[in-house]
Amino acid sequence: EVQLLESGGGLAQPGGSLRLSCAASGFTLNTFAMAWVRQAPGQGLEWVSRISATSEIAYYADSVRGRFTISKDNSKNTVYLQMSSLRGEDTAVYYCAKGVVAGTRNYFDYWGQGALVTVSS
Amino acid sequence: DIQMTQSPSTLSASVGDRVTITCRASQSIGDSLAWYQQKPGKAPKLLIYQASSLQSGVPSTFSGSGSGTEFSLTISSLQPDDFATYYCQQYISYSPTFGQGTKLEIK
Repeated sequence: EVQLLESGGGLAQPGGSLRLSCAASGFTLNTFAMAWVRQAPGQGLEWVSRISATSEIAYYADSVRGRFTISKDNSKNTVYLQMSSLRGEDTAVYYCAKGVVAGTRNYFDYWGQGALVTVSS
Repeated sequence: DIQMTQSPSTLSASVGDRVTITCRASQSIGDSLAWYQQKPGKAPKLLIYQASSLQSGVPSTFSGSGSGTEFSLTISSLQPDDFATYYCQQYISYSPTFGQGTKLEIK
């Protein structure tokens, strides 16, 4: 059974940093692309970043490029989202999502339960 | 970025009704479109991919259609469990984008 379990959410100050983790089980990360999607309170879904199965390619939304970094550790079957220079508008529930293929054109067949990130002083 | 626009934003309907939600892309995306269902406090759930393919385990009351720039999600007979928010997503570009969502409410 495929499962994705996020951790690392919490309260951060503006300008601060936070690292989210997504532990995957039921499949191996080196087979599928993975993504982070966020949802601000009461708002819709916003794709944040994704990484290819081989970790060779990473893409970012304009809103986070240069501040967030996606990575993964295949030996731990875990995906990470390092978030820096956090802003109030980064406040959201962050979902880890599994792509259906290894490369670029992906929709997402499994999602984690979400990790709440609150940026506030 | 490719913009995805859903209509309506809110839809009120009754159990047993047939409803359709529309999603329009700002440029052609072929059939690279997925639909998700989301309930309050829960993660999105994949319903439809490749515009019209039903994800395993999803009831056959759900169907998708369209290509190019115009797409629709139809629920043929609403069940109590179907009242939720629905999102479309294009995945033809390097930056996937979602529609703003359609909230399906009980009339």
